[in-house]
Amino acid sequence: LAKTTQPISMDSYEGQEVNITCSHNNIATNDYITWYQQFPSQGPRFIIQGYKTKVTNEVASLFIPADRKSSTLSLPRVSLSDTAVYYCLVVRSSASKIIFGSGTRLSIRP
Amino acid sequence: NAGVTQTPKFQVLKTGQSMTLQCAQDMNHEYMSWYRQDPGMGLRLIHYSVGAGITDQGEVPNGYNVSRSTTEDFPLRLLSAAPSQTSVYFCASSPTGGRTEAFFGQGTRLTVV
Repeated sequence: LAKTTQPISMDSYEGQEVNITCSHNNIATNDYITWYQQFPSQGPRFIIQGYKTKVTNEVASLFIPADRKSSTLSLPRVSLSDTAVYYCLVVRSSASKIIFGSGTRLSIRP
Repeated sequence: NAGVTQTPKFQVLKTGQSMTLQCAQDMNHEYMSWYRQDPGMGLRLIHYSVGAGITDQGEVPNGYNVSRSTTEDFPLRLLSAAPSQTSVYFCASSPTGGRTEAFFGQGTRLTVV
């Protein structure tokens, strides 16, 4: 599975749009990009998944360029409750293990 | 709708003791896995299972055993606890692993003294 690289931490303010970029240079043809969110003292929670171009749901958008070597998670108009660790994962379409990296610790200030 | 249930929520062990962390899911998921999370770190995969009777090692399997006799249950056994195993343990399940959404339990906070 492709290794992912993302910022260790980011800070932002309430009401701002936050973009977290993840690098996955060795992504394979049958790999998908998945993002999870983890609040303190809780297990991770699935946010969004994509293969290419753009995916949007009620929580976030995921932008994937044509070469798929990176992806950007976009959180619109963040609030204090978006303070969490965000993990970018590359997962294979077939049944396989799910590996987490170190994640990005996002802090939102008033 | 319970989802993934882990027991106990907290546990203190003495060095050398053994114990089993329990994990049960009621979603009929084939794939289950165990992770550990040390303070300020990401999750590391210990063992996983792609179905009843099938288990495999993850990134950090040493010191842990698993078995999968039913679809619902995936217990994690610590054979001889060591202080280095002090961590928060998360169990997860998903329909097939891979690209399917994983659901996590609330975690077991284990301290080995």
